[in-house]
Amino acid sequence: DTGVSQNPRHKITKRGQNVTFRCDPISEHNRLYWYRQTLGQGPEFLTYFQNEAQLEKSRLLSDRFSAERPKGSFSTLEIQRTEQGDSAMYLCASSFRLGTDQETQYFGPGTRLLVL
Amino acid sequence: AQKVTQAQTEISVVEKEDVTLDCVYETRDTTYYLFWYKQPPSGELVFLIRRNSFDEQNEISGRYSWNFQKSTSSFNFTITASQVVDSAVYFCALSAHNYGQNFVFGPGTRLSVLP
Repeated sequence: DTGVSQNPRHKITKRGQNVTFRCDPISEHNRLYWYRQTLGQGPEFLTYFQNEAQLEKSRLLSDRFSAERPKGSFSTLEIQRTEQGDSAMYLCASSFRLGTDQETQYFGPGTRLLVL
Repeated sequence: AQKVTQAQTEISVVEKEDVTLDCVYETRDTTYYLFWYKQPPSGELVFLIRRNSFDEQNEISGRYSWNFQKSTSSFNFTITASQVVDSAVYFCALSAHNYGQNFVFGPGTRLSVLP
């Protein structure tokens, strides 16, 4: 029974560089979420997918951010032209949605990004 | 608007003491879900409990118990006979039926259990 995995676990980059993170959800889960967490705060929603469709994006997701889930399995989150304010933990979660009941999200270990 | 407040930023207790973590939420939806997650130093959020707005029955799971009171919009979490391994940041989260599909998290309460 494997949980949500994320790679890399840590990323250090220079301002202006592009970075890409990967999330592999629990295999039977049809929904995948991305969150950002800064120090001392709770996670903040960025975007989510149902299968391969991106259904909702937060206003926090500027046009420098793009997320994909091309085959409805793993997902990538890319940040272009990174800024120091992008330094945070990026969390991925997955869930199985059936009907209209709100499902439980299961989280990965996160990718900690530091922009110098 | 959806909001979750965890007024206790940090709590320290000595091992074997009982501790209650407070969570107050705001939503206009009549159908919503409440969650508690634990985030140990390793960083991974661990699911603890989910409760929907129509189920006000309190729940006990081992040393953990939850008190859901709609009248005060609270969903408090109690750890009985705390242990050092309980040291973590605990987050309360709200997901409202008509508020998209994301969770709104509180700011978290850092619990330190001292030996």
